[in-house]
Amino acid sequence: DIQMTQSPASVSASVGDRVTITCRASQDISNWLAWYQQKPGKAPKLLIYAASTLQSGVPSRFSGSGSGTDFTLTISSLQAEDFATYYCQQANSFPYTFGQGTKLEIK
Amino acid sequence: EVQLVESGGGLVKPGGSLRLSCAASGFTFSNYNLNWVRQAPGRGLEWVSSISSSSSYIYYADSVKGRFTISRDNAKNSLYLQMNSLRAEDTAVYYCARNYDLLTGFSDWGQGTLVTVSS
Repeated sequence: DIQMTQSPASVSASVGDRVTITCRASQDISNWLAWYQQKPGKAPKLLIYAASTLQSGVPSRFSGSGSGTDFTLTISSLQAEDFATYYCQQANSFPYTFGQGTKLEIK
Repeated sequence: EVQLVESGGGLVKPGGSLRLSCAASGFTFSNYNLNWVRQAPGRGLEWVSSISSSSSYIYYADSVKGRFTISRDNAKNSLYLQMNSLRAEDTAVYYCARNYDLLTGFSDWGQGTLVTVSS
């Protein structure tokens, strides 16, 4: 199985900050990586797929990059509604696997 | 508007069974792959099972293989998860989610249904 490792596990930031979350795969997954945002008590929401393609309706302050084993999610200017937990997921092969999550908290 | 609505969760004793359903609307159900993803209380996301649009392929996580069965009824726009031999570690919110193809992530999710396995 492909292991997905996110870092950091949690990050504190302020509105307006730029934040980067990293996801590393245990083997090459090409660009088949998705990022999700989840708020407490809610279902996850797809932000980015194929490593860098923004899902329809997602604000352009979210961006993704990377290929192979190393990927990043960047939020260019944090808004209040962005404080949530973020997960990466590899879609290269079954079993699909998720990272452990990164909790983005208000500083 | 795409809607996925799960039902069937509840409290069940270890070793018991439960059948989850996911009713879909707002899109052409038979064109999409469907999936179950779960989240134990306070924990991260865990993929459980996937079924292709025509049921031609089915995959399971090792943690549920042999105990859970995924199925779909394209005529009823419904997805199912039959869960047998339930264990305490199966306690989680179960989400159904759709993806158009295998590689692009889960574009839409239901609100989830809670399964609690406890004596």
